[in-house]
Amino acid sequence: AQKVTQAQTEISVVEKEDVTLDCVYETRDTTYYLFWYKQPPSGELVFLIRRNSFDEQNEISGRYSWNFQKSTSSFNFTITASQVVDSAVYFCALSEADRGSTLGRLYFGRGTQLTVWP
Amino acid sequence: EAQVTQNPRYLITVTGKKLTVTCSQNMNHEYMSWYRQDPGLGLRQIYYSMNVEVTDKGDVPEGYKVSRKEKRNFPLILESPSPNQTSLYFCASSLSPTGIGELFFGEGSRLTVL
Repeated sequence: AQKVTQAQTEISVVEKEDVTLDCVYETRDTTYYLFWYKQPPSGELVFLIRRNSFDEQNEISGRYSWNFQKSTSSFNFTITASQVVDSAVYFCALSEADRGSTLGRLYFGRGTQLTVWP
Repeated sequence: EAQVTQNPRYLITVTGKKLTVTCSQNMNHEYMSWYRQDPGLGLRQIYYSMNVEVTDKGDVPEGYKVSRKEKRNFPLILESPSPNQTSLYFCASSLSPTGIGELFFGEGSRLTVL
């Protein structure tokens, strides 16, 4: 079973629309970290955010916001007033940090391709 | 400039011809890792290293080897490449020894095995 599920393979929106990318994770660890990375058409991978399992506060950074809910094992990412430059593949990832065999492993979802049309 | 450098960026090779993809970072990071990216499958971890001389398998280690003789370098070795190893490969490093921090990625190496 996948540890990180991004059910939306592709999303298309028109500029200025808000869009939410879903991420559901699975872990038995008490301590873990969740990440979002962006891969624009140029191909590089860019870190967006890290959240640890003990901090459920939502985070906002400009037009980006993240909603972490342990009760539903979700870490969703919302872009407000989307722009063409937001077009990219977005990956959610999980790192388990309890001492054990998975320390050091990083599990990525399959990614969501976001296309923002002008 | 802080960076992770991979070489080669592009390579076309034939089945069975050993090749090495080099990865070097200049940030004194403890943790380094290799991933492959395939359409519809996202990024999958191949191997990782939390320290010099310490390496561990990720999700898809079959057909690959790595070594970590120095902190800055983490080469990926394909002893006998096969067509199913055609992929886009990324090397990454992190200040956190267990990889729970921000990952800095190289630009990627596109490998085609004929």
